[in-house]
Amino acid sequence: EAEVAQSPRYKITEKSQAVAFWCDPISGHATLYWYRQILGQGPELLVQFQDESVVDDSQLPKDRFSAERLKGVDSTLKIQPAELGDSAMYLCASSLELNNEQFFGPGTRLTVL
Amino acid sequence: AQSVTQLGSHVSVSEGALVLLRCNYSSSVPPYLFWYVQYPNQGLQLLLKYTSAATLVKGINGFEAEFKKSETSFHLTKPSAHMSDAAEYFCAVSVSSSNTGKLIFGQGTTLQVKP
Repeated sequence: EAEVAQSPRYKITEKSQAVAFWCDPISGHATLYWYRQILGQGPELLVQFQDESVVDDSQLPKDRFSAERLKGVDSTLKIQPAELGDSAMYLCASSLELNNEQFFGPGTRLTVL
Repeated sequence: AQSVTQLGSHVSVSEGALVLLRCNYSSSVPPYLFWYVQYPNQGLQLLLKYTSAATLVKGINGFEAEFKKSETSFHLTKPSAHMSDAAEYFCAVSVSSSNTGKLIFGQGTTLQVKP
């Protein structure tokens, strides 16, 4: 069964360092989402791509976060510099098209010390 | 703006008992509604979804939910809890008239199942 792949699964870093997360969506899925889930809360959308174009990045802290999906397939989310408050689970999801069911990856748990 | 409220951050039931997880939504336009389950250190798995068809929606693992427009609710139920149902459950809303499919999640409810 096709799945959304994410790496790394766990990342520990010190504040002010740069970190990057990678997501490989289900093959053929045009829409890709990055969510942040703070412990004890529901996921919150950071950025959404349709193919290689950004559809929604209204909640992305653009001073330190960046995301790209250059070829419209896999995607990278970067944080530079990391802050203590960035400690969270970062979830990637994909869907065949906009408004279709979203399939979630296992997430990357980031701890910033 | 759309929002979701899940009543009760923790629910504890005995094995074999009824499971009821509450979700109320706010939306100015017809919503799509979803329930997801999350096991520790894993991603979210879709349990069921309402997209303006039948108001009683059946999902996986014996779960079902009923859309009640008059109460703006979409509560999740299961007649008999299993130990394997212990997890975090999230209700989410997506605006049907939106073309983005963006999901807005509630805060989540942790379900504990006691033997």
